Amino acid sequence: NFMLTQPHSVSESPGKTVTISCIRSSGSIASNYVQWYQQRPGSAPTTVIYEDNQRPSGVPDRFSGSIDISSRSASLTISGLKTEDEADYYCQSYDSGNQGVFGGGTKVTVL
Amino acid sequence: EVQLVESGGDLLQPGRSLRLSCTASGFTFGDYPMSWVRQAPGKGLEWVGFIRSKPYGGTTEYAASVKGRFTISRDDSRSIVYVQMNSLKTEDTAFYYCTRVVRDTSMIIDYWGQGTLVTVSS
Repeated sequence: NFMLTQPHSVSESPGKTVTISCIRSSGSIASNYVQWYQQRPGSAPTTVIYEDNQRPSGVPDRFSGSIDISSRSASLTISGLKTEDEADYYCQSYDSGNQGVFGGGTKVTVL
Repeated sequence: EVQLVESGGDLLQPGRSLRLSCTASGFTFGDYPMSWVRQAPGKGLEWVGFIRSKPYGGTTEYAASVKGRFTISRDDSRSIVYVQMNSLKTEDTAFYYCTRVVRDTSMIIDYWGQGTLVTVSS
């Protein structure tokens, strides 16, 4: 199976843009869709991006997702940072047998 | 509105068994696969397993850490998904989240429950 590696933490000021990476250890990042989940302190996770770059209804367009095949990575970009965006973010994908794989999570701090 | 409500979390000793339930509403339950994800206190998310919808055979997949000890099942008539957890270990201590999966062929979660806490301790 493969692993997904995320940075431990990132921080930025309100109004700025932050990008979180998610690197797949083996196999193509395009083999299976990548999702991103937001977990605010004390709350359950919610889905902010699915199928690499799709936003569920209700998720602001400040959130965007992408993949880069050459670097075997996915990215979540949050623009116009707000204090409410302060949370842990997890990337997730799956293998050919539909076994789920999560990244270790990235803590986003809005300074 | 999609709602997933977990129940059954408890404090119990290693080696014991526990069954968690997740009651769903706001969608046609039988059309969707469902999965369980857990999170140890202060740690990251860990995929536990998933059950396909009946049209896809209702078959299951499990993480290596729980395979052979945990069993996921579903009752479409009552819109409930279960996880039966046997031979519990201290490392199974976690919040357990019930999730709805978008389709049977892709492990993509769109909705999450609020979670229920399982504590395994002597």
